[in-house]
Amino acid sequence: AQKITQTQPGMFVQEKEAVTLDCTYDTSDPSYGLFWYKQPSSGEMIFLIYQGSYDQQNATEGRYSLNFQKARKSANLVISASQLGDSAMYFCAILTLYGNNRLAFGKGNQVVVIP
Amino acid sequence: KAGVTQTPRYLIKTRGQQVTLSCSPISGHRSVSWYQQTPGQGLQFLFEYFSETQRNKGNFPGRFSGRQFSNSRSEMNVSTLELGDSALYLCASSMPGQGDYGYTFGSGTRLTVV
Repeated sequence: AQKITQTQPGMFVQEKEAVTLDCTYDTSDPSYGLFWYKQPSSGEMIFLIYQGSYDQQNATEGRYSLNFQKARKSANLVISASQLGDSAMYFCAILTLYGNNRLAFGKGNQVVVIP
Repeated sequence: KAGVTQTPRYLIKTRGQQVTLSCSPISGHRSVSWYQQTPGQGLQFLFEYFSETQRNKGNFPGRFSGRQFSNSRSEMNVSTLELGDSALYLCASSMPGQGDYGYTFGSGTRLTVV
């Protein structure tokens, strides 16, 4: 079974500053993908970034980057230059080769960006 | 391209009733997955349909069912509603094998059972 752990309490971030959201995972599958999603109060789950287990480089997508440390089973999301619109819940999820095509999500991190 | 469309956005139902939620995937996506999100349990996988067949199922009672049509649109049904079924129901469409950009979620249907 796959497990994602997100334990940080809610965070307040100053606008234009960077924020790091922690995610650790547990899986015995050799091949997997890690996802980060943003969920604003409207409810929609918005895809942010993806990291494959065999990717040699850390993924980046605009202001989002992923600090992937495979040996530590860690996939932290870094949001640079925070904007007010970044206020949301952020979820880390894993999809494994033998996971029956289902995403396993963490409990999420609440981020509030303040001006 | 059009995203994943879920209807309705909001629903209020009474205990004991049944409800049907709809999900229209991105054009070309043949897999539709459903998730239930509650404050207590977080996001939990309900089931996945691919080419009109249920491929995977989560740990939910038989009151939760679904189906997929030939155009890949999917519906999920919850019968004999309980208060605990109040949740945000999200569906995601994907094209297996596309990896990172394969999963796209809709805006969800917020179900309240009273």
